[in-house]
Amino acid sequence: AQTVTQSQPEMSVQEAETVTLSCTYDTSESDYYLFWYKQPPSRQMILVIRQEAYKQQNATENRFSVNFQKAAKSFSLKISDSQLGDAAMYFCAYRTGTGSSNTGKLIFGQGTTLQVKP
Amino acid sequence: GAVVSQHPSWVICKSGTSVKIECRSLDFQATTMFWYRQFPKQSLMLMATSNEGSKATYEQGVEKDKFLINHASLTLSTLTVTSAHPEDSSFYICSASTWRGGYTFGSGTRLTVV
Repeated sequence: AQTVTQSQPEMSVQEAETVTLSCTYDTSESDYYLFWYKQPPSRQMILVIRQEAYKQQNATENRFSVNFQKAAKSFSLKISDSQLGDAAMYFCAYRTGTGSSNTGKLIFGQGTTLQVKP
Repeated sequence: GAVVSQHPSWVICKSGTSVKIECRSLDFQATTMFWYRQFPKQSLMLMATSNEGSKATYEQGVEKDKFLINHASLTLSTLTVTSAHPEDSSFYICSASTWRGGYTFGSGTRLTVV
């Protein structure tokens, strides 16, 4: 069974600085998807970034980028120029790539609470 | 974009009563809906996966008779917590898979059983 591990329960960063959140996963599959979700105090889940395992290029979305190391099964999230609005709980998630693309369930890590200091 | 409307956003009920939570996909057809439970400052735990027109698939350890899931149409899935007890108090979130291969989450329901 696949597992996702986030070893940092809490992180803090100074506003405008850069922070990296760690995520490792375990799988025997070669085809899968990885996600980072943000959950602010409103508790609405917001997609931050997504990575297809078959793509070697790291995904980037504005100030958010990932370091995807497939062999090491590592998927870290880098937030550049941190803003107060980035404060939230961040979840790393895994989805199998096999079967229908619309039926795969997400497996979440434990989450990392990010505090942004002004 | 794809939107899932979840209601109610919060509910307080008496122990022993049943509560229904609805998730509607507003601008797309949700073939598959996932139901999660989340305790404070913890991760989302998948409870069940429902597909339109068929029985839900429950995760190990989730009581099927307590958490009734119905997915009667491509736009509506419901979770009914039957004979609720204080230990069922939690935050419940639904998520629909979209044709783009992504997921859209409802805004969640905070259930408090007193």
